[in-house]
Amino acid sequence: DILMTQSPLSLPVTPGEPASISCRSSQSLLYSDGNHYLDWYLQKPGQSPQLLIYLGSNRASGVPDRFSGSGSGTDFTLKISRVEAEDVGIYYCMQTLAAPLTFGGGTKVEIK
Amino acid sequence: QVRLQQSGPGLVKPSQTLSLTCDISGDTVSSNRRTWNWIRQSPSRGLEWLGRTYYESKWYSDYGVSVKSRITISPDTSKNQFSLQLKSVTPEDTAVYYCVRYTLYNGIDVWGQGTTVTVSS
Repeated sequence: DILMTQSPLSLPVTPGEPASISCRSSQSLLYSDGNHYLDWYLQKPGQSPQLLIYLGSNRASGVPDRFSGSGSGTDFTLKISRVEAEDVGIYYCMQTLAAPLTFGGGTKVEIK
Repeated sequence: QVRLQQSGPGLVKPSQTLSLTCDISGDTVSSNRRTWNWIRQSPSRGLEWLGRTYYESKWYSDYGVSVKSRITISPDTSKNQFSLQLKSVTPEDTAVYYCVRYTLYNGIDVWGQGTTVTVSS
């Protein structure tokens, strides 16, 4: 299985300030088609997770451009350029390169 | 607009079989480039992918390691739905269960409403 490790576990943020979350995989998520099969999800309180970023760096429909994804191989980063109050929740990375699909443990983002 | 509607019991006794169904509207279970998955979430295990079914010239299913010996995910094309069966449940299987659609090159783009399943006598 591909192990996904996120850091930090918890991230207190100040509105208007940037934030960054790291996700590492136990093996490369690069497939022969040139895509990295790494997605990011946000689970807001009381809701099901929602897609933010797919294939490492592509924003999902309707996702604000303050969210960006980057990385390659085994190291990936989700950045929020300026955190807003509505961004609180738990962020998860997920690999879809190979079954079984696996999630990171989550990063809880909260407002200071 | 694609919608996934889950149904099934919220309480299952230990050693029995957990059965959930996911009705699809706005898409078809045999669509290309789509897989139909079950995911669960619990405080102890976080988000856990249980398995999927999909059609590529024939039907395939893949399962998570922790449940592989107990799980079946199967499509029903006549009803445009897919189902989860998890046998021999224990309290460790208590979780919120989600059916989801994964689209190739697009991630998990549709979620069911979630079903809280408690395993208890």
